[in-house]
Amino acid sequence: DVKVTQSSRYLVKRTGEKVFLECVQDMDHENMFWYRQDPGLGLRLIYFSYDVKMKEKGDIPEGYSVSREKKERFSLILESASTNQTSMYLCASSPGQAYNEQFFGPGTRLTVL
Amino acid sequence: RKEVEQDPGPFNVPEGATVAFNCTYSNSASQSFFWYRQDCRKEPKLLMSVYSSGNEDGRFTAQLNRASQYISLLIRDSKLSDSATYLCVVSFTGGFKTIFGAGTRLFVKA
Repeated sequence: DVKVTQSSRYLVKRTGEKVFLECVQDMDHENMFWYRQDPGLGLRLIYFSYDVKMKEKGDIPEGYSVSREKKERFSLILESASTNQTSMYLCASSPGQAYNEQFFGPGTRLTVL
Repeated sequence: RKEVEQDPGPFNVPEGATVAFNCTYSNSASQSFFWYRQDCRKEPKLLMSVYSSGNEDGRFTAQLNRASQYISLLIRDSKLSDSATYLCVVSFTGGFKTIFGAGTRLFVKA
């Protein structure tokens, strides 16, 4: 069964802290994505990766960075968390062409105080 | 203008009703279309892909109108378990751009 896992369901951090969100998929998918979801705005793409060590900016990359050292793992890093980064963060993966079905993790609800 | 627009709802319908959602997209280069379902506090999951010829899966029918740049989802004989947010998704071949709509909320009442 397809599975995408995220390191935390809920996270509370303080302004200025460095935050790591981890995502692991067990489907050998080439593509992995990080989104944030906010009410009324839908899912917005932060970064994606189509191969190990490869990364591309999405629509809202400012304030974020990513790392993909292994095929199954894609990390999102908030270098210095700010209150406007309080959001639901969703990781997804997809096989082959990026427009194929995306499989999502359960999400991490991040609150920055 | 948003690239993918949906009526946010909520749509409140009784069990057994037929309900339809529309979604418009602005980029004519869009190539692949999907409906995802997202339950409260859960992750989105693919409901169905949308093909040019239209497609049906049980009580769900999806249609694409390229000329008018919209896709639709029809749910017949609504069940309580259909209560969820329905996300319209548009992708572009040859690249990695996938745009999610903000979603339409559906509540099915007994």
